[in-house]
Amino acid sequence: GAGVSQSPRYKVAKRGQDVALRCDPISGHVSLFWYQQALGQGPEFLTYFQNEAQLDKSGLPSDRFFAERPEGSVSTLKIQRTQQEDSAVYLCASSYVDGGAGTQYFGPGTRLLVL
Amino acid sequence: KNEVEQSPQNLTAQEGEFITINCSYSVGISALHWLQQHPGGGIVSLFMLSSGKKKHGRLIATINIQEKHSSLHITASHPRDSAVYICAVSWRDDKIIFGKGTRLHILP
Repeated sequence: GAGVSQSPRYKVAKRGQDVALRCDPISGHVSLFWYQQALGQGPEFLTYFQNEAQLDKSGLPSDRFFAERPEGSVSTLKIQRTQQEDSAVYLCASSYVDGGAGTQYFGPGTRLLVL
Repeated sequence: KNEVEQSPQNLTAQEGEFITINCSYSVGISALHWLQQHPGGGIVSLFMLSSGKKKHGRLIATINIQEKHSSLHITASHPRDSAVYICAVSWRDDKIIFGKGTRLHILP
């Protein structure tokens, strides 16, 4: 079956522009995670959804970052007034179990470059 | 705060060598994940384990809960094993902390 997909794969934004990154998890997966991966670093947790409920958003770096999953399936990560330090790969992962103790299936990521 | 440390950071080996990558963490966890990331970004989950040992093909993962330590082994390494290997731990329900990764390069 289809894996996790993300779009766009690449995004170039001018500083101050708003961006929206989409994640389509595997159908039926309960948990959805967003991660940020800077160049040469491991991914860092941003936020977690259990179905449509955002149970943890402690990793979001500022109030410019907002995520939603209104119907418990597709999720969107929005970054307002982008800054250069937002440049990174944004990874989405889904899992069929609640929480972080299940196998995670990763999307290919969205590579964001803020000029 | 849970910290995840991996070693080595970089590893270059000849084809056929036995490879070991280590991961240590500082607090109790619910599960430990080994992930593989190829150039271009795609991440694949290799193992998820909470105790003992798992084997899949030439890959073996072990975990020692008491010592808060896990190892990933690759037997008969091959150039296609070249990738970044990332250790990640799950704790407190949904928190997942990633190590910085080990960059492995297998020479033909």
